[in-house]
Amino acid sequence: DIVMTQSPLSLSVIPGEPASISCRSSQSLLHSNGYNYLDWYVQKPGQSPQLLIYLGFSRASGVPDRFSGSGSGTDFTLKISRVEAEDIGVYYCMQALQTSITFGQGTRLEIK
Amino acid sequence: QLQLQESGPGLVKPSETLSLTCTVSGGSISRSTYYWSWIRQPPGKGLEWIGSMLYSGSTFFNPSLKSRVTFSADTSKNQFSLKLTSVTAADTAVYYCARRVGTDWYYNYYGLDIWGQGTTVIVSS
Repeated sequence: DIVMTQSPLSLSVIPGEPASISCRSSQSLLHSNGYNYLDWYVQKPGQSPQLLIYLGFSRASGVPDRFSGSGSGTDFTLKISRVEAEDIGVYYCMQALQTSITFGQGTRLEIK
Repeated sequence: QLQLQESGPGLVKPSETLSLTCTVSGGSISRSTYYWSWIRQPPGKGLEWIGSMLYSGSTFFNPSLKSRVTFSADTSKNQFSLKLTSVTAADTAVYYCARRVGTDWYYNYYGLDIWGQGTTVIVSS
């Protein structure tokens, strides 16, 4: 299985400030078709996870443009340009390259 | 708008079989571009993928659970189901069903874009 490692595991951010979460995979997530099979999900308190970013950089429908994904191979980053109160929750990266999907441990975002 | 809703018993005894159903509304489970998936989350922990299935029968399982998991689909009810045998306390979790959009696993991939609300299953005697 591909192991996904996120950092930091928690972060506290002042509203309006940026935030960044790193995700590293134990194997490259780059497929021969040129796409990186790396997604980002957020689980807000008391809710189901919801898709933010797929294929490393594509925003899901309805996701604000202050969320962006970048990276390739084994190193990926989720950035929030200006954190809002509604962004609190646990953020997970997920690899979808192998037919055995694995998630990162999660990063808890809190508001200062 | 497609919606998913999990259902099943909230309490299962150790060594018995856990059976859950996901009812799909607003769309058909028989479309070839959707993988219907199960993910679980133990209390206070992260997400664990259980497996994904195409209506046509192609299935993929978490290797750690493969020997105990069975998927099925009922087009007449627009439902897909999960069975997990020989459960233990370690199987206590919130179980989610979700839709994975894609063709042939890699093409036309759009992530796990729709999730159900989740259903809590406790394994206890």
